[in-house]
Amino acid sequence: IAGITQAPTSQILAAGRRMTLRCTQDMRHNAMYWYRQDLGLGLRLIHYSNTAGTTGKGEVPDGYSVSRANTDDFPLTLASAVPSQTSVYFCASSDSNGSPDEQFFGPGTRLTVL
Amino acid sequence: GQNIDQPTEMTATEGAIVQINCTYQTSGFNGLFWYQQHAGEAPTFLSYNVLDGLEEKGRFSSFLSRSKGYSYLLLKELQMKDSASYLCAVRDGNYQLIWGAGTKLIIKP
Repeated sequence: IAGITQAPTSQILAAGRRMTLRCTQDMRHNAMYWYRQDLGLGLRLIHYSNTAGTTGKGEVPDGYSVSRANTDDFPLTLASAVPSQTSVYFCASSDSNGSPDEQFFGPGTRLTVL
Repeated sequence: GQNIDQPTEMTATEGAIVQINCTYQTSGFNGLFWYQQHAGEAPTFLSYNVLDGLEEKGRFSSFLSRSKGYSYLLLKELQMKDSASYLCAVRDGNYQLIWGAGTKLIIKP
């Protein structure tokens, strides 16, 4: 693994189904983030984690949950998908102890909820 | 509320210079970032400004005026591969990144 990976690349999901988007980084970054990106809108933060074992809510957390059991992995779960969760989801990581603490992004997961 | 404004779309000619502006209103300021995002790909880091002035990095430069809540990204000697969206993001007083919607830059031959 080099950098940050996400799986799946894309997914079509029936409304009401549960779905977990996976994110793994090998840069030993302490901080990780989940964003959604919709046409015409900026990246919106869903949840974040400043360090393993801790998580926090971002701008649009409703309907999503995360966990951070270790440094490398940060899965995002949709408990019961709804069509408004159709979006492109990006996972990112950063070394918040460094400067300028830029975020490195995974390739994204394109999710369609029908 | 917090707000980042950028033009939605700009068009420029190959070989020319283009300036993409970003204005912001945030609760606190801890740096401004510019990212490049090609269609269907992830954003990638371009530049960072935390003090007023110009930061130059090859063909790309970024300027910041904290008193005016203003930044611009300057791209020189435009190439076709520079066709992409350019995202402005501000780290606020709580160290959260606030993102603009991005400026789609179209380069014409």
